[in-house]
Amino acid sequence: SQQGEEDPQALSIQEGENATMNCSYKTSINNLQWYRQNSGRGLVHLILIRSNEREKHSGRLRVTLDTSKKSSSLLITASRAADTASYFCATLRIQGAQKLVFGQGTRLTINP
Amino acid sequence: DVKVTQSSRYLVKRTGEKVFLECVQDMDHENMFWYRQDPGLGLRLIYFSYDVKMKEKGDIPEGYSVSREKKERFSLILESASTNQTSMYLCASTEAGGVLADTQYFGPGTRLTVL
Repeated sequence: SQQGEEDPQALSIQEGENATMNCSYKTSINNLQWYRQNSGRGLVHLILIRSNEREKHSGRLRVTLDTSKKSSSLLITASRAADTASYFCATLRIQGAQKLVFGQGTRLTINP
Repeated sequence: DVKVTQSSRYLVKRTGEKVFLECVQDMDHENMFWYRQDPGLGLRLIYFSYDVKMKEKGDIPEGYSVSREKKERFSLILESASTNQTSMYLCASTEAGGVLADTQYFGPGTRLTVL
């Protein structure tokens, strides 16, 4: 079963607004990562947050992790047209084969 | 910067053909991965390798095989391509370090169409 599930599946906002995407997972994790994918391209790593961290920032990105709720959120502030992409969360589970499991992604559209 | 390259951006093959997808990384990473990406299904792991000549099945290995003869190169082989293998194929690599998967570096992808 999918470990990470993003919500919403699609999000459309105006340029300059903030965008929030959520990720839920089922089993205990070592870390959680967010990736971006521009249309028809490979994925680009954005940020990694470890299970003992609660919040992390990188430029206009803010990621939170709530291990008690098994959820994470990615906030993009002051969105730009170039932020239009699909965003994926990926979790590294503590038990079992140590590999990343990706969710199905949130398609973010920034309207000018 | 880490660079992961894939041999083709677009590929069209016929049913029954043997297909080779090549991936090369230039950062001396130990771990390499092959995924396929399909609408509504996200990324699914096909195979991964944590060392030369070592390979492990991922979640959907059926119909595929892999080869890792050199550290920098990881090949995905479709022994007899079928139409249900039409997909976007993504290669990725990571450093070693005890944990198989920290930050993954992805190639640009190969969009394979099997007719």
